[in-house]
Amino acid sequence: DVKVTQSSRYLVKRTGEKVFLECVQDMDHENMFWYRQDPGLGLRLIYFSYDVKMKEKGDIPEGYSVSREKKERFSLILESASTNQTSMYLCASSLSRDTSNQPQHFGDGTRLSIL
Amino acid sequence: QQQVKQSPQSLIVQKGGISIINCAYENTAFDYFPWYQQFPGKGPALLIAIRPDVSEKKEGRFTISFNKSAKQFSLHIMDSQPGDSATYFCAAINRRDDKIIFGKGTRLHILP
Repeated sequence: DVKVTQSSRYLVKRTGEKVFLECVQDMDHENMFWYRQDPGLGLRLIYFSYDVKMKEKGDIPEGYSVSREKKERFSLILESASTNQTSMYLCASSLSRDTSNQPQHFGDGTRLSIL
Repeated sequence: QQQVKQSPQSLIVQKGGISIINCAYENTAFDYFPWYQQFPGKGPALLIAIRPDVSEKKEGRFTISFNKSAKQFSLHIMDSQPGDSATYFCAAINRRDDKIIFGKGTRLHILP
């Protein structure tokens, strides 16, 4: 079974802090994704990566950056946290772009509160 | 054109009844349509998926019906059980970039 692990289930930070959310997958997947989930808005894609050192902007990248130094690890960075970034953050991975019809596998999320 | 529209937003069904959730899309480049199930405190988990060259796919009590000409697809849960109470997301994937476009979700509650 694919395991996507997010380092924190709950996190509380203050406005202006730099925040790191970590995600690790154990199935040698090439693709990794970061979403935020808000009531009534569903899942919105922040950033994604198809390979190490690669990153692509999703639908709502403003205020975020990412890092993928190793294939199994994909980090989401809030450069200067703001209260409107309070949300549930979900990491996902999938096999590769060369393999069609592959679903994404999700971690259990990090509930981030910015005070 | 990238949207996937999902309805209803919430649904209450009696135990043993049929739960039906509908989705519609515009982009004909979508070629894979998964459904995800999410329980509170958990990430979404793949439930069932269909390709557009098939009109129906059934796995146990869960069935996807797909209407390519209407660009609509739906999830049917037969003999709905309280354990099916969860949020369900339909989604569509474009093979060119592997990005998933999610519907906004349906919160399903099955009455015991």
